[in-house]
Amino acid sequence: AQSVTQLGSHVSVSEGALVLLRCNYSSSVPPYLFWYVQYPNQGLQLLLKYTTGATLVKGINGFEAEFKKSETSFHLTKPSAHMSDAAEYFCAVRSNNNDMRFGAGTRLTVKP
Amino acid sequence: DARVTQTPRHKVTEMGQEVTMRCQPILGHNTVFWYRQTMMQGLELLAYFRNRAPLDDSGMPKDRFSAEMPDATLATLKIQPSEPRDSAVYFCASALENSPLHFGNGTRLTVT
Repeated sequence: AQSVTQLGSHVSVSEGALVLLRCNYSSSVPPYLFWYVQYPNQGLQLLLKYTTGATLVKGINGFEAEFKKSETSFHLTKPSAHMSDAAEYFCAVRSNNNDMRFGAGTRLTVKP
Repeated sequence: DARVTQTPRHKVTEMGQEVTMRCQPILGHNTVFWYRQTMMQGLELLAYFRNRAPLDDSGMPKDRFSAEMPDATLATLKIQPSEPRDSAVYFCASALENSPLHFGNGTRLTVT
């Protein structure tokens, strides 16, 4: 069975600083990997996904993530944080039996 | 813009009452997921369906929870009898197979 570990339940950065949210996964088969964002009182929205092909994936709002098989990681980055990026971020893994497992989430705070 | 619709958005009920949450998946999506989100447990997969057939409901307390898809446009999650520990936000999501999940805005359930 696949699982996801997100390191750090809270991350705080200054506006304009680099954002790095960490995600490690375990999967017995090549995984599909996702990052979602959740704003207050809303459902989750897809930021980006990795299925096959290029390991550096670009998503919406300037975010990107790199699939590193050797490290079983799929960390999310953004070069310059914006106040509107404050939200909760979830890493998720989906195997070929199609169920989707989420990490515990990382709450990103952006300081002015 | 197609979206997953969940009703009701909020539900307050007394312990022991039956609760039914409804979800209208995006037309054409053949997989439907139910998740529960709490501060303590994060996002927990309760059940998911493919082509209306339940594939996995191992995350669901069987004695009081039931999930069904009466037809392709409706998924239901029922709790009977409800308990205070069931208080959470319940999310429905739908997807095409092997594609990202699209989430509804959730049902916030409070059981007193």
